[in-house]
Amino acid sequence: EAQVTQNPRYLITVTGKKLTVTCSQNMNHEYMSWYRQDPGLGLRQIYYSMNVEVTDKGDVPEGYKVSRKEKRNFPLILESPSPNQTSLYFCASSPRTVQETQYFGPGTRLLVL
Amino acid sequence: GQQVMQIPQYQHVQEGEDFTTYCNSSTTLSNIQWYKQRPGGHPVFLIQLVKSGEVKKQKRLTFQFGEAKKNSSLHITATQTTDVGTYFCAGPGGGSYQLTFGKGTKLSVIP
Repeated sequence: EAQVTQNPRYLITVTGKKLTVTCSQNMNHEYMSWYRQDPGLGLRQIYYSMNVEVTDKGDVPEGYKVSRKEKRNFPLILESPSPNQTSLYFCASSPRTVQETQYFGPGTRLLVL
Repeated sequence: GQQVMQIPQYQHVQEGEDFTTYCNSSTTLSNIQWYKQRPGGHPVFLIQLVKSGEVKKQKRLTFQFGEAKKNSSLHITATQTTDVGTYFCAGPGGGSYQLTFGKGTKLSVIP
């Protein structure tokens, strides 16, 4: 089944404790991206990747890192999480660009204490 | 940067009533996409509009793209409880690799 998977689905952590949220797609998509969703603010793009080893900042990249070492995986790294990063995170992928259907993962709900 | 504004933020309708959400961009868009997010779920692609003045229908849903390619609308005829969720429009921002979403319209349907 074609899908985007994220892990973990729920995470509670404390300020400053490094964490990684994994994202994987099995559709051989070149384009992958991360969004955060907050009440009243909609979906905001954090980082995106056009292909392996090619990444760039979205609208809200501060406090986040990403890597794209393999085509199928696009982990989101929070080196030193802070409470303002408490949010619902979505990974998405598409064949090549944002001009095509974006396939979203199920989401990761993060609480930073 | 590009802004995509969506109104209304919330809409409560009686089952059977119609519903419309509007999307306006600060810049001309090459295309616009619409997504639906059910409560507790993730955004799911509904449709993409590309041509100026384009109108597309999916059963009770009608999507329009403005002549100037700066605005779009989604209209649902005779809403049902299964239409409940948040509807987002999204347009390409910086080139082909950034996507800007509207803040969404949350639809509640009263049975």
